[in-house]
Amino acid sequence: GAGVSQSPSNKVTEKGKDVELRCDPISGHTALYWYRQSLGQGLEFLIYFQGNSAPDKSGLPSDRFSAERTGGSVSTLTIQRTQQEDSAVYLCASSLQVINNEQFFGPGTRLTVL
Amino acid sequence: GDSVTQMEGPVTLSEEAFLTINCTYTATGYPSLFWYVQYPGEGLQLLLKATKADDKGSNKGFEATYRKETTSFHLEKGSVQVSDSAVYFCALTAQDTSGSRLTFGEGTQLTVNP
Repeated sequence: GAGVSQSPSNKVTEKGKDVELRCDPISGHTALYWYRQSLGQGLEFLIYFQGNSAPDKSGLPSDRFSAERTGGSVSTLTIQRTQQEDSAVYLCASSLQVINNEQFFGPGTRLTVL
Repeated sequence: GDSVTQMEGPVTLSEEAFLTINCTYTATGYPSLFWYVQYPGEGLQLLLKATKADDKGSNKGFEATYRKETTSFHLEKGSVQVSDSAVYFCALTAQDTSGSRLTFGEGTQLTVNP
């Protein structure tokens, strides 16, 4: 079956612009996670969704970052007024349930802020 | 807070050599422990996991044992192949109010030469 998909695969933007990153989880998976992979910080948790609710947003690095999930499926991560330090690979993962379930990762979106 | 410390890389081995990548963790309660692998140009994949003390996770010839007394989850393989060249991440989830967010180690780059 289809895995987790993310779009775009690559995004180059100018400092100060807003970007939207999309994640399509595996059908039926109730939990969805966003992580960021960068050279200086490694792999960091950003936010997770249970259904359409986000019980834990503690990993979002600033109020320029926001995310939503609709219909218990697709999720969008929005970064406003991008900065160069936002350059990273943004990874999405989904799991059948929140507790004790394997997380399946998408291929990621590589964001470059010039 | 929760943390994972991995053996620093990169690690370079010859084919058929024995592999150990050390991983230790700090967490409250009883975390689940994971090894993820990222092959060149691919997304993160779960390699193996263990959910309680003394459990051994195994897959593709790799093994790791959950050692609560030493808070460790070292990855081993008896005979590595060129195809094992990848980045390996140790990770944990803690069953608290943060759902099943993964906390990752820094990653260890493994290169296996023929």
